[in-house]
Amino acid sequence: DGGITQSPKYLFRKEGQNVTLSCEQNLNHDAMYWYRQDPGQGLRLIYYSQIVNDFQKGDIAEGYSVSREKKESFPLTVTSAQKNPTAFYLCASSDTGSIRETQYFGPGTRLLVL
Amino acid sequence: QQPVQSPQAVILREGEDAVINCSSSKALYSVHWYRQKHGEAPVFLMILLKGGEQKGHEKISASFNEKKQQSSLYLTASQLSYSGTYFCGTASLVQGAQKLVFGQGTRLTINP
Repeated sequence: DGGITQSPKYLFRKEGQNVTLSCEQNLNHDAMYWYRQDPGQGLRLIYYSQIVNDFQKGDIAEGYSVSREKKESFPLTVTSAQKNPTAFYLCASSDTGSIRETQYFGPGTRLLVL
Repeated sequence: QQPVQSPQAVILREGEDAVINCSSSKALYSVHWYRQKHGEAPVFLMILLKGGEQKGHEKISASFNEKKQQSSLYLTASQLSYSGTYFCGTASLVQGAQKLVFGQGTRLTINP
Protein backbone atom coordinates (compact mmCIF):
# COMPACT_ATOMS: atom_id res chain seq x y z
CA ASP A 1 0.00 0.00 0.00
CA GLY A 2 1.24 3.48 -0.84
CA GLY A 3 1.43 6.02 1.88
CA ILE A 4 3.43 8.18 4.25
CA THR A 5 5.10 6.82 7.34
CA GLN A 6 6.42 8.82 10.26
CA SER A 7 8.51 7.56 13.12
CA PRO A 8 8.60 7.45 16.00
CA LYS A 9 5.00 7.93 17.09
CA TYR A 10 6.17 9.52 20.36
CA LEU A 11 9.53 11.18 20.97
CA PHE A 12 11.00 12.60 24.14
CA ARG A 13 13.63 15.32 24.07
CA LYS A 14 15.94 16.37 26.84
CA GLU A 15 16.93 20.00 27.17
CA GLY A 16 19.77 20.92 24.82
CA GLN A 17 19.31 17.83 22.68
CA ASN A 18 18.73 17.67 18.93
CA VAL A 19 16.18 15.11 17.77
CA THR A 20 15.28 13.92 14.28
CA LEU A 21 11.82 12.97 13.08
CA SER A 22 11.56 10.60 10.16
CA CYS A 23 9.19 10.95 7.20
CA GLU A 24 9.13 8.47 4.32
CA GLN A 25 6.69 8.24 1.39
CA ASN A 26 6.30 5.62 -1.34
CA LEU A 27 3.78 7.59 -3.37
CA ASN A 28 6.46 8.84 -5.77
CA HIS A 29 5.48 12.39 -4.85
CA ASP A 30 7.80 15.25 -5.71
CA ALA A 31 6.76 17.68 -2.97
CA MET A 32 7.02 17.14 0.78
CA TYR A 33 6.08 19.32 3.74
CA TRP A 34 6.49 19.55 7.51
CA TYR A 35 3.86 21.10 9.76
CA ARG A 36 3.63 21.77 13.45
CA GLN A 37 0.33 21.61 15.34
CA ASP A 38 -0.14 22.90 18.88
CA PRO A 39 -3.13 21.82 20.99
CA GLY A 40 -6.36 23.34 19.73
CA GLN A 41 -4.58 25.09 16.88
CA GLY A 42 -4.29 24.79 13.15
CA LEU A 43 -1.26 23.55 11.24
CA ARG A 44 1.72 25.81 10.67
CA LEU A 45 4.27 25.20 7.92
CA ILE A 46 7.87 24.61 9.01
CA TYR A 47 9.67 23.61 5.80
CA TYR A 48 8.76 22.35 2.37
CA SER A 49 10.61 20.78 -0.53
CA GLN A 50 9.65 20.71 -4.18
CA ILE A 51 12.54 18.54 -5.43
CA VAL A 52 15.51 16.59 -4.14
CA ASN A 53 18.32 18.68 -2.67
CA ASP A 54 16.14 21.77 -2.51
CA PHE A 55 13.88 23.07 0.28
CA GLN A 56 12.40 26.35 1.49
CA LYS A 57 11.57 27.78 4.89
CA GLY A 58 7.95 27.96 5.88
CA ASP A 59 6.37 30.30 8.40
CA ILE A 60 8.05 28.94 11.56
CA ALA A 61 11.43 27.52 10.44
CA GLU A 62 13.53 28.91 13.32
CA GLY A 63 14.97 26.12 15.45
CA TYR A 64 14.37 23.44 12.80
CA SER A 65 16.41 21.98 9.95
CA VAL A 66 15.65 19.54 7.13
CA SER A 67 17.34 17.63 4.35
CA ARG A 68 16.05 16.12 1.11
CA GLU A 69 18.72 13.75 -0.17
CA LYS A 70 16.22 11.24 -1.55
CA LYS A 71 12.85 11.76 -3.17
CA GLU A 72 11.09 9.51 -0.69
CA SER A 73 12.61 10.91 2.51
CA PHE A 74 12.33 14.30 4.25
CA PRO A 75 13.63 14.15 7.84
CA LEU A 76 13.11 17.04 10.25
CA THR A 77 15.60 17.90 12.99
CA VAL A 78 14.38 19.82 16.00
CA THR A 79 17.44 21.60 17.31
CA SER A 80 18.21 22.88 20.79
CA ALA A 81 17.51 26.38 19.46
CA GLN A 82 13.81 25.52 19.38
CA LYS A 83 12.82 26.53 22.90
CA ASN A 84 9.24 25.28 22.84
CA PRO A 85 9.27 22.08 20.77
CA THR A 86 6.37 20.26 22.41
CA ALA A 87 3.83 19.73 19.63
CA PHE A 88 2.34 17.30 17.14
CA TYR A 89 4.47 17.17 13.97
CA LEU A 90 2.90 16.19 10.68
CA CYS A 91 4.61 15.35 7.42
CA ALA A 92 2.73 15.62 4.12
CA SER A 93 3.39 15.08 0.44
CA SER A 94 1.78 16.02 -2.85
CA ASP A 95 2.33 14.79 -6.39
CA THR A 96 3.86 17.80 -8.05
CA GLY A 97 3.47 20.68 -5.63
CA SER A 98 0.99 22.30 -8.00
CA ILE A 99 -1.64 24.53 -6.49
CA ARG A 100 -4.25 22.00 -7.74
CA GLU A 101 -2.77 19.06 -5.87
CA THR A 102 -3.95 17.44 -2.66
CA GLN A 103 -1.56 17.12 0.24
CA TYR A 104 -1.66 13.74 1.99
CA PHE A 105 -0.59 13.51 5.60
CA GLY A 106 1.35 10.94 7.58
CA PRO A 107 0.19 9.76 11.03
CA GLY A 108 2.30 12.29 12.92
CA THR A 109 4.94 12.32 15.66
CA ARG A 110 4.17 13.71 19.09
CA LEU A 111 7.24 15.39 20.59
CA LEU A 112 7.45 15.92 24.33
CA VAL A 113 10.13 17.65 26.36
CA LEU A 114 11.44 15.98 29.52
CA GLN B 1 -2.09 35.43 6.35
CA GLN B 2 -4.18 32.81 8.14
CA PRO B 3 -7.77 32.34 6.87
CA VAL B 4 -10.54 32.80 9.43
CA GLN B 5 -12.98 29.98 10.05
CA SER B 6 -16.44 30.28 11.56
CA PRO B 7 -17.96 29.06 13.71
CA GLN B 8 -15.17 27.93 16.04
CA ALA B 9 -17.31 25.07 17.33
CA VAL B 10 -20.74 23.58 16.64
CA ILE B 11 -22.77 20.83 18.26
CA LEU B 12 -25.42 18.98 16.29
CA ARG B 13 -27.71 16.03 16.59
CA GLU B 14 -27.30 13.23 14.10
CA GLY B 15 -29.13 14.05 10.88
CA GLU B 16 -28.83 17.83 11.18
CA ASP B 17 -26.96 20.02 8.71
CA ALA B 18 -23.90 22.19 9.27
CA VAL B 19 -22.11 24.92 7.37
CA ILE B 20 -18.49 25.87 8.03
CA ASN B 21 -17.10 29.07 6.56
CA CYS B 22 -13.57 30.05 5.59
CA SER B 23 -12.61 33.64 4.76
CA SER B 24 -9.35 35.06 3.52
CA SER B 25 -8.02 38.58 3.18
CA LYS B 26 -5.91 37.48 0.20
CA ALA B 27 -6.95 36.38 -3.27
CA LEU B 28 -7.70 32.66 -3.34
CA TYR B 29 -6.42 30.27 -5.99
CA SER B 30 -7.62 27.11 -4.33
CA VAL B 31 -9.16 26.09 -1.02
CA HIS B 32 -8.50 22.72 0.58
CA TRP B 33 -10.70 21.17 3.25
CA TYR B 34 -9.57 18.55 5.76
CA ARG B 35 -11.11 16.74 8.74
CA GLN B 36 -9.02 15.70 11.71
CA LYS B 37 -10.02 13.29 14.45
CA HIS B 38 -8.38 13.78 17.84
CA GLY B 39 -4.76 12.61 17.83
CA GLU B 40 -4.85 11.61 14.18
CA ALA B 41 -3.62 13.09 10.91
CA PRO B 42 -5.88 15.36 8.84
CA VAL B 43 -7.80 13.56 6.11
CA PHE B 44 -8.46 15.23 2.78
CA LEU B 45 -12.11 16.06 2.02
CA MET B 46 -12.27 18.44 -0.88
CA ILE B 47 -10.36 20.90 -2.99
CA LEU B 48 -11.99 23.84 -4.74
CA LEU B 49 -10.17 25.54 -7.55
CA LYS B 50 -10.44 28.97 -9.05
CA GLY B 51 -12.85 28.73 -11.94
CA GLY B 52 -15.25 26.38 -10.24
CA GLU B 53 -13.64 22.97 -10.46
CA GLN B 54 -14.07 20.71 -7.43
CA LYS B 55 -12.50 17.44 -6.41
CA GLY B 56 -13.44 15.47 -3.37
CA HIS B 57 -15.89 13.68 -1.15
CA GLU B 58 -19.21 12.42 -2.53
CA LYS B 59 -21.31 13.24 0.53
CA ILE B 60 -19.84 16.63 1.31
CA SER B 61 -20.26 19.71 -0.82
CA ALA B 62 -18.60 23.07 -0.79
CA SER B 63 -18.72 26.43 -2.47
CA PHE B 64 -16.00 28.85 -3.46
CA ASN B 65 -16.74 32.55 -3.95
CA GLU B 66 -13.66 34.06 -5.55
CA LYS B 67 -14.92 37.63 -5.39
CA LYS B 68 -15.66 37.43 -1.67
CA GLN B 69 -12.56 35.32 -1.03
CA GLN B 70 -14.68 32.84 0.88
CA SER B 71 -15.38 29.13 0.90
CA SER B 72 -18.09 27.21 2.71
CA LEU B 73 -18.29 23.50 3.52
CA TYR B 74 -21.75 21.93 3.70
CA LEU B 75 -22.37 18.81 5.74
CA THR B 76 -25.88 17.50 5.20
CA ALA B 77 -27.68 14.81 7.18
CA SER B 78 -24.69 14.59 9.50
CA GLN B 79 -23.52 11.22 10.77
CA LEU B 80 -21.68 10.42 13.99
CA SER B 81 -18.55 9.80 11.92
CA TYR B 82 -18.54 13.45 10.84
CA SER B 83 -17.36 14.52 14.28
CA GLY B 84 -13.91 16.08 14.33
CA THR B 85 -12.13 19.34 13.63
CA TYR B 86 -12.43 20.79 10.14
CA PHE B 87 -9.66 22.88 8.66
CA CYS B 88 -9.59 24.96 5.53
CA GLY B 89 -6.30 25.68 3.83
CA THR B 90 -5.75 28.44 1.30
CA ALA B 91 -3.15 27.72 -1.34
CA SER B 92 -0.63 29.91 -3.10
CA LEU B 93 2.44 29.22 -5.20
CA VAL B 94 5.77 30.16 -3.63
CA GLN B 95 8.92 29.53 -5.67
CA GLY B 96 7.03 26.99 -7.76
CA ALA B 97 5.71 25.02 -4.79
CA GLN B 98 2.27 24.87 -3.26
CA LYS B 99 2.04 26.56 0.13
CA LEU B 100 -1.04 25.94 2.27
CA VAL B 101 -2.00 28.24 5.12
CA PHE B 102 -4.55 26.65 7.44
CA GLY B 103 -7.33 28.24 9.45
CA GLN B 104 -7.60 27.67 13.17
CA GLY B 105 -10.21 24.93 12.76
CA THR B 106 -13.90 24.34 13.49
CA ARG B 107 -14.72 21.65 16.02
CA LEU B 108 -17.84 19.70 15.05
CA THR B 109 -19.54 17.41 17.55
CA ILE B 110 -22.36 15.13 16.42
CA ASN B 111 -24.51 13.63 19.16
CA PRO B 112 -26.89 10.68 18.74
